[in-house]
Amino acid sequence: GAGVSQSPSNKVTEKGKDVELRCDPISGHTALYWYRQSLGQGLEFLIYFQGNSAPDKSGLPSDRFSAERTGGSVSTLTIQRTQQEDSAVYLCASSIIGTGATTDTQYFGPGTRLTVL
Amino acid sequence: KQEVTQIPAALSVPEGENLVLNCSFTDSAIYNLQWFRQDPGKGLTSLLLIQSSQREQTSGRLNASLDKSSGRSTLYIAASQPGDSATYLCAVKTGANNLFFGTGTRLTVIP
Repeated sequence: GAGVSQSPSNKVTEKGKDVELRCDPISGHTALYWYRQSLGQGLEFLIYFQGNSAPDKSGLPSDRFSAERTGGSVSTLTIQRTQQEDSAVYLCASSIIGTGATTDTQYFGPGTRLTVL
Repeated sequence: KQEVTQIPAALSVPEGENLVLNCSFTDSAIYNLQWFRQDPGKGLTSLLLIQSSQREQTSGRLNASLDKSSGRSTLYIAASQPGDSATYLCAVKTGANNLFFGTGTRLTVIP
């Protein structure tokens, strides 16, 4: 079956511009996660969606970052007024069961490489 | 805050060798621990997931162990192959809605 897909695969933008990154989770997965992987650093949690519950935004680094999940499926991560330090690979993951479960394997998409000039 | 450390950061071995990758975490109150591999320019592929009540999981040439009380996990790869070359990441799930990742071990298997 289809895995998690992300678009675009690469994005180059100029400092100060807004960007939108898209994630299509695996069909039927109720939980969706966004992570950021900066050069030489580990993956950093950004935001989590579970069903119709309010998202966990505790990992968003600033108010320039926001995310939506429409219809419990596709998610868009928006970065406003991009800065050079926003350059990273943005990874999306989905799982069948979210928090509280012990067997919720997360399946990752290929990521979007964002470069801010 | 949970901190995950992986040692070594990089490892090169000749083809056919058995090897062990190490992962340690500071907070033993975890739900599970996952090992992933990441190939250059690609996303993460889940290899093994160990629940907090389990001691180990096996899949083919891979065996992952978990010692929750000491905050340690190991990934054992038997009879390594060049196709095993990748970055290996461990991640722990706590009560929060996310995984805490280590910075990974970059493995190179030399033919």
